Amino acid sequence: SAVISQKPSRDICQRGTSLTIQCQVDSQVTMMFWYRQQPGQSLTLIATANQGSEATYESGFVIDKFPISRPNLTFSTLTVSNMSPEDSSIYLCSTPRTGLTSGSGYTFGSGTRLTVV
Amino acid sequence: GENVEQHPSTLSVQEGDSAVIKCTYSDSASNYFPWYKQELGKGPQLIIDIRSNVGEKKDQRIAVTLNKTAKHFSLHITETQPEDSAVYFCAASMGNQFYFGTGTSLTVIP
Repeated sequence: SAVISQKPSRDICQRGTSLTIQCQVDSQVTMMFWYRQQPGQSLTLIATANQGSEATYESGFVIDKFPISRPNLTFSTLTVSNMSPEDSSIYLCSTPRTGLTSGSGYTFGSGTRLTVV
Repeated sequence: GENVEQHPSTLSVQEGDSAVIKCTYSDSASNYFPWYKQELGKGPQLIIDIRSNVGEKKDQRIAVTLNKTAKHFSLHITETQPEDSAVYFCAASMGNQFYFGTGTSLTVIP
């Protein structure tokens, strides 16, 4: 299955600033997903990033706040913009385990633990 | 949309005992049910999964059962070990859309 390298692993940021999280996959994948995991909570899908098209955002998440790039089939970034303490969470990227097809579970990156002060 | 409920939220067992975590789902169209283990500071790792055409699946000390009629599925860990301590998430999916349960924090007491 695909292996994802995610960075940074953690960061402490000042409110009002932005942080870009990167995910590099060791194989080509058609879809990449970005999740948020608030403290003690489950995973909430932020958006689906497809190469060559704009990301699809879930209800409650907007592009201005969480812009996503997907320049090729192995890389994606998520930016958390104009951060506030409420954005303190773990952010995770993931892809289908088999890379190009779905329905076989996800592989997750190791997560980025963001603290906004 | 799909709604996945997971119980219990916390579970403590003695080493060597069994642990059972249960999930229910609402959408009968869901056809794939993975379980993830998340250790502190790490991303979730897939530990076992089951498809809707199967009632039970085992992998060493881990098993998952699925009751499609009742729309519930369970994770069973036998002979628990301290390294099984983690947060476990269930999920239900149709295609690319996954819905996660709220997680169970399992503690195995040596």
